[in-house]
Amino acid sequence: EAGVTQFPSHSVIEKGQTVTLRCDPISGHDNLYWYRRVMGKEIKFLLHFVKESKQDESGMPNNRFLAERTGGTYSTLKVQPAELEDSGVYFCASSRPSRASGGSSYNEQFFGPGTRLTVL
Amino acid sequence: AQSVSQHNHHVILSEAASLELGCNYSYGGTVNLFWYVQYPGQHLQLLLKYFSGDPLVKGIKGFEAEFIKSKFSFNLRKPSVQWSDTAEYFCAVNKAGANNLFFGTGTRLTVIP
Repeated sequence: EAGVTQFPSHSVIEKGQTVTLRCDPISGHDNLYWYRRVMGKEIKFLLHFVKESKQDESGMPNNRFLAERTGGTYSTLKVQPAELEDSGVYFCASSRPSRASGGSSYNEQFFGPGTRLTVL
Repeated sequence: AQSVSQHNHHVILSEAASLELGCNYSYGGTVNLFWYVQYPGQHLQLLLKYFSGDPLVKGIKGFEAEFIKSKFSFNLRKPSVQWSDTAEYFCAVNKAGANNLFFGTGTRLTVIP
């Protein structure tokens, strides 16, 4: 079974430009998550898709970030226009539909290799 | 603010030394707890997880973690580290009813052969 893949692995752009990151989840995984790690900080949740619907986008930093998952398969995360503080590693994760475990719902999340974004 | 704290940023050990990495969280209510590991050049992998039951959980590669509810802690341990354990380790919390993970800042472990 193929894992979560992300493209590109590394992107270097100038401030003000646009970048689009792509994530292909594991086949059959309805849940797709985006996370970001700014250098030296924690990995932070950005948003969560269930199929093509945004379930939770509370972690999106501002309206320069746009995530889509048309058709409920792969997802893209566009940053437009990019700013210096957007530099970091963007992780995607996917999981199967929720199931109850010990009284709470849980999805084991499988992570992609990340895209390192550098904004100059 | 609710958070996950990993107090050790960089730990350097010799092979065969024992390892304990601290993790504390500040969320109330029911949580699920995880340790993830990222080996150099690889993606994040799940090391072990705790949902309920025995607070001492065993994971892959000889790692274990103990959930101490009264201390809001979930420390990771390994009795004898190997050079191949060199990696970055992340503690994460999932609040019951939610799907997203809250991570700590990570601990970089360097094992010297």
